[in-house]
Amino acid sequence: GAGVSQSPSNKVTEKGKDVELRCDPISGHTALYWYRQSLGQGLEFLIYFQGNSAPDKSGLPSDRFSAERTGGSVSTLTIQRTQQEDSAVYLCASRGGGNTGELFFGEGSRLTVL
Amino acid sequence: SQQGEEDPQALSIQEGENATMNCSYKTSINNLQWYRQNSGRGLVHLILIRSNEREKHSGRLRVTLDTSKKSSSLLITASRAADTASYFCATAAGGTSYGKLTFGQGTILTVHP
Repeated sequence: GAGVSQSPSNKVTEKGKDVELRCDPISGHTALYWYRQSLGQGLEFLIYFQGNSAPDKSGLPSDRFSAERTGGSVSTLTIQRTQQEDSAVYLCASRGGGNTGELFFGEGSRLTVL
Repeated sequence: SQQGEEDPQALSIQEGENATMNCSYKTSINNLQWYRQNSGRGLVHLILIRSNEREKHSGRLRVTLDTSKKSSSLLITASRAADTASYFCATAAGGTSYGKLTFGQGTILTVHP
C-alpha cells in the first residue's frame, strides 16, 4: 500500500476483554515498530521487529501484551485482559532497508477501555 | 525514563517569527531525528542528523547537534499557522544504526495567524 495502515482506528472495549490491533506496513519495509502514546504524552516504545531477527520486546509493559509479525509483513498487537490504564493511541511504524533511518507512521489505533 | 527530553514543553508564537525547540539526551547516539505530529494524526519525519554532523538544513528547518552537550535544536524559520503541531526528537542508541528509536515528550508549537 501507499502508507502504513492500522486497524481499527478506534476501539472501545470493556475491562478484562482481549483486543487485537493490526498494522499493515509499507510493502517491502523490513522493520516494524509499535509505540503507545497516552493523551498529551510522548511515544512509549513497545516492540521492534527487524527482518527475521528475534524482536526487541524490551518495551512491552506486562505479559498481557504480545505482538507477532507474520511473513515479515502484517503485525498484530494483542492486549489480553485489558485494563483502563491500557487506554491510549497505539502507533505502528515501518522502516525500509535503506540508509535513511526514517520511520513511516500509521494514523494509530485509539483504544478506550471502559 | 525518556532518552530525549524536549524543551520548552509548549511554545506560542506569531506567524512569521522563528521557533526554536531543544532536545537533550542521555546516552551516546548514532543519529537523532525530528518528527512532527498534527493533532490526532501519526508522526511525520522531518529531518535526520547523524552523530558526526553538526548542522543540517531542509527548507525552513535547521537542525543542530552538539554531541559534547548531548543536545540538539530544531529551528523553524518564518513560521506559518500550518506549522502548529507537536514536535518530537528521537534517538537511536550508539552502536545500532537504526534499531530501537526512543522519543521524547515533545514540544507543542502554536503559531498564531
